[in-house]
Amino acid sequence: QVQLQESGPGLVKPSQTLSLTCTVSGGSIRSADYYWSWIRQPPGKGLEWIGYVFYTGDTYYNPSLKSRLTVSVDTSKNQFSLKLTSVTAADTAVYYCAREGRRCYDSSCYFSYFDYWGQGTLVTVSS
Amino acid sequence: SYELTQPPSVSVSPGQTARITCSGDALPKKYAYWYQQKSGQAPVVVIYDDIKRPSGIPERFSGSSSGTLATLTISGAQVEDEADYYCYSTDSSGYHRVFGGGTKLTVL
Repeated sequence: QVQLQESGPGLVKPSQTLSLTCTVSGGSIRSADYYWSWIRQPPGKGLEWIGYVFYTGDTYYNPSLKSRLTVSVDTSKNQFSLKLTSVTAADTAVYYCAREGRRCYDSSCYFSYFDYWGQGTLVTVSS
Repeated sequence: SYELTQPPSVSVSPGQTARITCSGDALPKKYAYWYQQKSGQAPVVVIYDDIKRPSGIPERFSGSSSGTLATLTISGAQVEDEADYYCYSTDSSGYHRVFGGGTKLTVL
């Protein structure tokens, strides 16, 4: 059974960097069949897709966060990570990591659905 | 930036049919996905590729898509279906994923 678990500080000061790690167990992150994604949800609000990393290190980010965001993968540890710089109170949210299916045909690749999620971790930006 | 538009809320009585819509300019060419999120839990996919239902999802959940509108239908909604529902898709580039704003389904 695949499991994902987020870890990192629950409290970050404004203007500092938010760092989270997602540890994957029960399956290898080194797979061409999946993207590894981050999604967040501010308290009482909707879901926001943050970005993904492929096991090769290829990434794609939400354009609204791109200038502050780095998502990376460590295949040796079966982990992927998120770093968001210059945080403000607007970055306060539950952060989820998730596995998203990937399928390829006719020399193009497309995403499928998120089939496994972490439990989510609340990160509060406050002084 | 690309947006998917959902109604904020839908309310039905138990046993009735609930329909939740999602509007987006790229939907004629991009699949819609639907996620159910119950309070305090991570989302769960209930429909993918517009119309497909993952194993373990009750048959009362179905999806359709026509033009710029995708629809999640819950036929014979039950109290346990009360949740927030989010559509999910991508813009015309296929790279920029986006969630709709979410629809709170009330069954009472």
